[in-house]
Amino acid sequence: DAKTTQPPSMDCAEGRAANLPCNHSTISGNEYVYWYRQIHSQGPQYIIHGLKNNETNEMASLIITEDRKSSTLILPHATLRDTAVYYCIVRPYGGATNKLIFGTGTLLAVQP
Amino acid sequence: DAGVTQSPTHLIKTRGQQVTLRCSPISGHKSVSWYQQVLGQGPQFIFQYYEKEERGRGNFPDRFSARQFPNYSSELNVNALLLGDSALYLCASSLGELGRGSSGNTIYFGEGSWLTVV
Repeated sequence: DAKTTQPPSMDCAEGRAANLPCNHSTISGNEYVYWYRQIHSQGPQYIIHGLKNNETNEMASLIITEDRKSSTLILPHATLRDTAVYYCIVRPYGGATNKLIFGTGTLLAVQP
Repeated sequence: DAGVTQSPTHLIKTRGQQVTLRCSPISGHKSVSWYQQVLGQGPQFIFQYYEKEERGRGNFPDRFSARQFPNYSSELNVNALLLGDSALYLCASSLGELGRGSSGNTIYFGEGSWLTVV
């Protein structure tokens, strides 16, 4: 079973920030938080990952709470092309395994 | 640089037949894994291979098998196809086994192979 809990769906207005929450209250000290998204009929796309510090890249920002029990993915200026299912996944630190356990994710609908 | 490439992109098979799906990882990646995604669900882990050896297996029947070649490409085989095997089959690659303390082992997915069993 997935170790994360996400809302099933969210709406966001185009041009506004999209904030996608994820609960991972049972995360272990050796697990990273990874985010992927899947646009309809395509393969999952890697977005960002972090351990305990906030992270930012060209796609998004990841805010992890101090107790690491939850995180928020932020898309600063959502566009229609950001409409997708977003998956939050925990994965062992330094892990060699490629076994990712996907939950049901959050369907983000960006509205014009 | 090319990402993870998969072939074929779409195929239709009849119940009882066998299918082979192919995957080429990102250049330099030594680990390949396979996932099955049924419509409306998240991807489910099937296999992981690293340096031609199986390193992990999900809860799938023995009808599913895979192998990895010396050039790190991989094939997924499914025998005795059932209607329930209709799904998007995803291949993913990563650098492979890294020492502790490294977070560089990000997993990247291909666009998948759509299999329809009729």
